[in-house]
Amino acid sequence: NAGVTQTPKFRILKIGQSMTLQCTQDMNHNYMYWYRQDPGMGLKLIYYSVGAGITDKGEVPNGYNVSRSTTEDFPLRLELAAPSQTSVYFCASKDSSLRGYTFGSGTRLTVV
Amino acid sequence: DAKTTQPNSMESNEEEPVHLPCNHSTISGTDYIHWYRQLPSQGPEYVIHGLTSNVNNRMASLAIAEDRKSSTLILHRATLRDAAVYYCILSNSGGSNYKLTFGKGTLLTVNP
Repeated sequence: NAGVTQTPKFRILKIGQSMTLQCTQDMNHNYMYWYRQDPGMGLKLIYYSVGAGITDKGEVPNGYNVSRSTTEDFPLRLELAAPSQTSVYFCASKDSSLRGYTFGSGTRLTVV
Repeated sequence: DAKTTQPNSMESNEEEPVHLPCNHSTISGTDYIHWYRQLPSQGPEYVIHGLTSNVNNRMASLAIAEDRKSSTLILHRATLRDAAVYYCILSNSGGSNYKLTFGKGTLLTVNP
Protein backbone atom coordinates (compact mmCIF):
# COMPACT_ATOMS: atom_id res chain seq x y z
CA ASN A 1 0.00 0.00 0.00
CA ALA A 2 2.30 2.79 -1.27
CA GLY A 3 -0.21 5.67 -1.11
CA VAL A 4 1.19 8.81 -2.78
CA THR A 5 4.75 8.59 -4.09
CA GLN A 6 6.78 11.67 -5.03
CA THR A 7 10.11 11.72 -6.79
CA PRO A 8 12.71 13.05 -6.47
CA LYS A 9 12.94 13.85 -2.73
CA PHE A 10 15.54 16.56 -3.26
CA ARG A 11 16.73 18.54 -6.26
CA ILE A 12 18.93 21.53 -6.94
CA LEU A 13 18.23 23.41 -10.18
CA LYS A 14 20.02 26.27 -11.83
CA ILE A 15 18.05 29.32 -12.88
CA GLY A 16 16.42 28.71 -16.25
CA GLN A 17 16.56 24.91 -16.08
CA SER A 18 13.46 22.76 -16.39
CA MET A 19 12.33 19.71 -14.50
CA THR A 20 9.33 17.51 -13.80
CA LEU A 21 8.24 16.55 -10.32
CA GLN A 22 6.61 13.14 -10.39
CA CYS A 23 3.56 12.11 -8.37
CA THR A 24 1.89 8.70 -8.47
CA GLN A 25 -0.94 7.28 -6.35
CA ASP A 26 -2.16 3.69 -6.20
CA MET A 27 -5.49 4.28 -4.44
CA ASN A 28 -7.58 4.96 -7.58
CA HIS A 29 -8.33 8.46 -6.31
CA ASN A 30 -9.99 10.84 -8.72
CA TYR A 31 -8.73 14.06 -7.17
CA MET A 32 -5.07 15.04 -7.17
CA TYR A 33 -3.33 18.26 -6.08
CA TRP A 34 -0.01 20.03 -6.07
CA TYR A 35 0.85 22.36 -3.21
CA ARG A 36 3.98 24.32 -2.39
CA GLN A 37 5.11 25.27 1.09
CA ASP A 38 7.58 28.06 1.73
CA PRO A 39 9.46 28.14 5.07
CA GLY A 40 7.20 28.94 8.02
CA MET A 41 4.12 29.22 5.83
CA GLY A 42 1.05 27.18 5.10
CA LEU A 43 0.52 25.25 1.86
CA LYS A 44 -0.51 27.05 -1.31
CA LEU A 45 -2.39 25.24 -4.08
CA ILE A 46 -0.65 25.28 -7.47
CA TYR A 47 -2.83 23.04 -9.64
CA TYR A 48 -5.41 20.36 -9.11
CA SER A 49 -7.23 17.69 -11.11
CA VAL A 50 -10.65 16.12 -10.60
CA GLY A 51 -9.97 13.24 -12.96
CA ALA A 52 -7.92 12.05 -15.90
CA GLY A 53 -7.82 14.67 -18.64
CA ILE A 54 -9.07 17.50 -16.36
CA THR A 55 -6.83 20.04 -14.67
CA ASP A 56 -7.37 23.50 -13.22
CA LYS A 57 -5.36 26.32 -11.72
CA GLY A 58 -5.05 26.87 -8.01
CA GLU A 59 -3.84 29.92 -6.11
CA VAL A 60 -0.25 30.11 -7.48
CA PRO A 61 -0.08 28.48 -10.94
CA ASN A 62 2.37 30.86 -12.67
CA GLY A 63 5.59 29.16 -13.76
CA TYR A 64 4.12 25.65 -13.59
CA ASN A 65 2.27 23.23 -15.83
CA VAL A 66 0.53 19.93 -15.18
CA SER A 67 -1.02 17.07 -17.08
CA ARG A 68 -3.26 14.18 -16.04
CA SER A 69 -3.23 11.49 -18.70
CA THR A 70 -3.96 8.66 -16.24
CA THR A 71 -5.76 8.35 -12.91
CA GLU A 72 -2.50 7.39 -11.19
CA ASP A 73 -0.08 10.08 -12.34
CA PHE A 74 -0.06 13.86 -11.93
CA PRO A 75 3.34 15.33 -12.89
CA LEU A 76 4.23 18.98 -12.23
CA ARG A 77 6.46 20.72 -14.77
CA LEU A 78 8.70 23.71 -14.09
CA GLU A 79 9.77 25.19 -17.43
CA LEU A 80 12.17 28.03 -16.50
CA ALA A 81 13.19 27.67 -12.90
CA ALA A 82 13.46 30.85 -10.84
CA PRO A 83 14.75 31.38 -7.27
CA SER A 84 11.17 32.21 -6.21
CA GLN A 85 10.28 28.56 -6.91
CA THR A 86 12.58 27.34 -4.14
CA SER A 87 10.13 25.50 -1.90
CA VAL A 88 8.89 22.14 -0.71
CA TYR A 89 6.34 20.64 -3.08
CA PHE A 90 3.64 18.29 -1.89
CA CYS A 91 1.37 16.13 -3.99
CA ALA A 92 -1.91 14.88 -2.53
CA SER A 93 -4.86 12.79 -3.61
CA LYS A 94 -8.36 12.00 -2.34
CA ASP A 95 -11.43 10.07 -3.38
CA SER A 96 -14.84 11.65 -3.92
CA SER A 97 -15.94 11.20 -0.31
CA LEU A 98 -15.24 13.61 2.55
CA ARG A 99 -12.34 11.48 3.73
CA GLY A 100 -9.16 13.48 3.96
CA TYR A 101 -6.33 14.02 1.58
CA THR A 102 -3.39 11.62 1.45
CA PHE A 103 -0.15 13.52 1.01
CA GLY A 104 3.19 12.43 -0.38
CA SER A 105 6.40 13.00 1.55
CA GLY A 106 7.36 16.02 -0.53
CA THR A 107 10.09 17.22 -2.92
CA ARG A 108 12.51 19.82 -1.60
CA LEU A 109 13.55 22.02 -4.54
CA THR A 110 16.28 24.65 -4.48
CA VAL A 111 16.83 26.97 -7.43
CA VAL A 112 20.23 28.69 -7.49
CA ASP B 1 -13.70 30.16 1.35
CA ALA B 2 -14.53 31.10 4.93
CA LYS B 3 -11.47 31.87 7.03
CA THR B 4 -10.29 30.35 10.28
CA THR B 5 -8.28 31.85 13.13
CA GLN B 6 -5.89 29.78 15.22
CA PRO B 7 -3.25 30.69 17.81
CA ASN B 8 0.24 30.71 16.35
CA SER B 9 1.59 28.35 18.98
CA MET B 10 0.67 26.31 22.06
CA GLU B 11 2.54 24.23 24.58
CA SER B 12 1.53 21.17 26.51
CA ASN B 13 3.05 18.55 28.71
CA GLU B 14 3.36 14.91 27.81
CA GLU B 15 0.41 12.70 28.82
CA GLU B 16 -1.84 15.71 29.47
CA PRO B 17 -4.87 16.63 27.33
CA VAL B 18 -4.49 19.34 24.72
CA HIS B 19 -7.28 21.58 23.46
CA LEU B 20 -6.49 23.33 20.19
CA PRO B 21 -8.99 26.12 19.42
CA CYS B 22 -10.18 27.37 16.04
CA ASN B 23 -12.50 30.31 15.36
CA HIS B 24 -14.57 30.40 12.18
CA SER B 25 -17.19 33.06 12.70
CA THR B 26 -18.10 33.32 8.99
CA ILE B 27 -18.75 29.60 8.53
CA SER B 28 -21.67 28.77 6.26
CA GLY B 29 -24.25 26.09 6.87
CA THR B 30 -22.65 23.65 4.43
CA ASP B 31 -19.02 24.12 5.50
CA TYR B 32 -17.29 21.12 7.02
CA ILE B 33 -14.54 21.61 9.61
CA HIS B 34 -11.37 19.68 8.85
CA TRP B 35 -8.22 19.25 10.91
CA TYR B 36 -4.87 18.21 9.56
CA ARG B 37 -1.48 18.07 11.19
CA GLN B 38 2.03 18.27 9.79
CA LEU B 39 4.86 16.56 11.61
CA PRO B 40 8.37 17.99 11.08
CA SER B 41 9.70 17.37 7.57
CA GLN B 42 6.57 15.48 6.51
CA GLY B 43 3.48 16.14 4.45
CA PRO B 44 0.23 17.03 6.21
CA GLU B 45 -1.84 14.20 7.65
CA TYR B 46 -5.63 14.09 7.97
CA VAL B 47 -6.82 14.07 11.58
CA ILE B 48 -10.59 14.48 11.71
CA HIS B 49 -13.54 16.34 10.24
CA GLY B 50 -17.09 17.21 11.25
CA LEU B 51 -20.16 19.25 10.35
CA THR B 52 -22.35 19.83 13.42
CA SER B 53 -21.93 17.01 15.91
CA ASN B 54 -18.87 16.20 17.96
CA VAL B 55 -16.70 13.52 16.39
CA ASN B 56 -14.25 10.99 17.78
CA ASN B 57 -11.67 8.80 16.11
CA ARG B 58 -8.54 6.97 17.16
CA MET B 59 -6.39 10.10 16.80
CA ALA B 60 -8.48 12.84 18.38
CA SER B 61 -11.88 14.32 19.19
CA LEU B 62 -13.51 17.31 17.54
CA ALA B 63 -15.82 19.46 19.62
CA ILE B 64 -17.99 21.86 17.60
CA ALA B 65 -19.75 24.78 19.24
CA GLU B 66 -23.53 24.86 19.01
CA ASP B 67 -23.43 27.98 16.78
CA ARG B 68 -20.59 26.38 14.77
CA LYS B 69 -18.52 29.57 14.99
CA SER B 70 -15.71 27.76 16.77
CA SER B 71 -14.34 24.28 17.25
CA THR B 72 -11.73 22.55 19.37
CA LEU B 73 -9.45 19.67 18.49
CA ILE B 74 -8.81 17.55 21.55
CA LEU B 75 -5.81 15.28 21.96
CA HIS B 76 -6.66 13.25 25.02
CA ARG B 77 -3.11 12.37 26.08
CA ALA B 78 -0.39 14.25 24.27
CA THR B 79 2.77 12.39 23.38
CA LEU B 80 6.05 13.72 22.02
CA ARG B 81 4.98 12.38 18.61
CA ASP B 82 2.03 14.80 18.62
CA ALA B 83 4.36 17.78 18.29
CA ALA B 84 3.33 19.26 14.95
CA VAL B 85 1.61 22.13 13.18
CA TYR B 86 -2.18 21.68 13.38
CA TYR B 87 -4.35 23.18 10.66
CA CYS B 88 -8.06 23.95 10.99
CA ILE B 89 -9.69 24.24 7.55
CA LEU B 90 -13.22 24.84 6.30
CA SER B 91 -14.51 23.34 3.10
CA ASN B 92 -17.87 23.37 1.40
CA SER B 93 -19.52 20.04 0.86
CA GLY B 94 -20.04 21.00 -2.75
CA GLY B 95 -17.59 21.68 -5.54
CA SER B 96 -14.97 23.53 -3.53
CA ASN B 97 -14.56 20.63 -1.13
CA TYR B 98 -11.75 19.35 -3.27
CA LYS B 99 -9.51 22.36 -2.80
CA LEU B 100 -8.56 22.82 0.82
CA THR B 101 -6.86 26.10 1.74
CA PHE B 102 -4.21 25.76 4.44
CA GLY B 103 -3.39 28.69 6.74
CA LYS B 104 -0.37 28.90 9.03
CA GLY B 105 -1.89 26.65 11.68
CA THR B 106 -0.92 26.20 15.35
CA LEU B 107 2.53 24.93 16.25
CA LEU B 108 2.09 22.51 19.15
CA THR B 109 5.09 21.88 21.36
CA VAL B 110 4.92 18.91 23.74
CA ASN B 111 7.22 19.02 26.73
CA PRO B 112 8.50 15.76 28.27
